[in-house]
Amino acid sequence: EPEVTQTPSHQVTQMGQEVILRCVPISNHLYFYWYRQILGQKVEFLVSFYNNEISEKSEIFDDQFSVERPDGSNFTLKIRSTKLEDSAMYFCASSESAETQYFGPGTRLLVL
Amino acid sequence: GDSVTQMEGPVTLSEEAFLTINCTYTATGYPSLFWYVQYPGEGLQLLLKATKADDKGSNKGFEATYRKETTSFHLEKGSVQVSDSAVYFCALETNQAGTALIFGKGTTLSVSS
Repeated sequence: EPEVTQTPSHQVTQMGQEVILRCVPISNHLYFYWYRQILGQKVEFLVSFYNNEISEKSEIFDDQFSVERPDGSNFTLKIRSTKLEDSAMYFCASSESAETQYFGPGTRLLVL
Repeated sequence: GDSVTQMEGPVTLSEEAFLTINCTYTATGYPSLFWYVQYPGEGLQLLLKATKADDKGSNKGFEATYRKETTSFHLEKGSVQVSDSAVYFCALETNQAGTALIFGKGTTLSVSS
């Protein structure tokens, strides 16, 4: 069964550094998403992406965040200058249409 | 705005007990409703879904019925197992392509033998 994959599974970085989180969505899916989950809290939407542009973003997704689909398979989330409060589990998801979103296993980001 | 409210946890049950986790929603229009499960140390997995009123989603012995009149989507299982111990998230999607899932806060279920 096809699945969403994410790399790395864990990332530790220093405050102020840039990080890039990578995702490979399910191959025939057209809609891509990033969510985050701060430890012990609810899953929060960051951004959705369709047809090579952002279709929706939350208040969390400020200027320090960006997304890109650099080739036909990868979907990346970049955090330009990480802050302590960016420490969270980041989930990528994809969907074929407006129906079900399928989630990857997540990248746990720790900012020191 | 749209929102999802789940019962507070943790929920602690003995094996073979009956499970109900309440979920109610507020939304404009007719959202799709989902239950996701997160096992310890893992990501989110879709458990079941319902896309219109009176639909019943089911999977692995879990069921939930989309009740438009009460704006609810309660999760039930007749006989829980230790392996069901996880965090359960209710979520809605407003049926527009590329729209965010809105999650509840999650309910932790702990099942003991």
